[in-house]
Amino acid sequence: DVKVTQSSRYLVKRTGEKVFLECVQDMDHENMFWYRQDPGLGLRLIYFSYDVKMKEKGDIPEGYSVSREKKERFSLILESASTNQTSMYLCAARTGQFQPQHFGDGTRLSIL
Amino acid sequence: GQQVMQIPQYQHVQEGEDFTTYCNSSTTLSNIQWYKQRPGGHPVFLIQLVKSGEVKKQKRLTFQFGEAKKNSSLHITATQTTDVGTYFCAGPSTGGFKTIFGAGTRLFVKA
Repeated sequence: DVKVTQSSRYLVKRTGEKVFLECVQDMDHENMFWYRQDPGLGLRLIYFSYDVKMKEKGDIPEGYSVSREKKERFSLILESASTNQTSMYLCAARTGQFQPQHFGDGTRLSIL
Repeated sequence: GQQVMQIPQYQHVQEGEDFTTYCNSSTTLSNIQWYKQRPGGHPVFLIQLVKSGEVKKQKRLTFQFGEAKKNSSLHITATQTTDVGTYFCAGPSTGGFKTIFGAGTRLFVKA
C-alpha cells in the first residue's frame, strides 16, 4: 500500500517565522503535490512537482516555495508565516499523469 | 478557467435513505476520480471512471460517468453512519498535469 507521510499532524508557529512542512512517499511516485484545505474552499493547489528538482506553481503559490531534492521528499516552505496561512496542509503523490492521488494525513498549521 | 462543480454542498439524510452527489465539468474529461474524506481525515481515493457512459459499483456505492464525459454522479443506497464525510470528484486539467477537484459534498447521516 502507498504510504505518504507528513512530518507533523499539528504545528504552531509565530508570525514571521520560516516554516518547513515535510512530505515523504515510499512508492517511487513521480508526481507530488501540496494543497491547502480551508472550510468552504475545498482543496487548493499550492505547488506540484512532476520530477526531482522540477516544480510548478499551482493556483495559490504566493507566500510559499517548495523543494524536491530527492524523489521521495517534497517540502513546502512558508517563507515568512502569516496568520492567513493558518490552514490544513495536505501532501499527495501519484505514479503519473491520470493516476489517482494518495494523500498524507495532513498537517494542521496554526500561525499565531 | 476549467472548473469542476459539485452539488449539493451539503446533504443531511436519515440512516437508510439514499444519497446522490453530482459533478459537472466545464470541459470534457479523459477520466474522473472520486475521493472520500472522513471528518478529521484525509481524502482517500475510491474509484476512477474512464469510458463514456461507464457505471461502476462498490457495494452500496454506484458511480456513473456521463456519455459526454462532462458529468458524473455518486449514488449511495441505504446510507449508513459510516458513510459520513465529504465526497469529492476530480478530473485532470486540460494538458493533464494538475487535478481539478470539485468543492465536495458533505454528507451527514442521522441514526
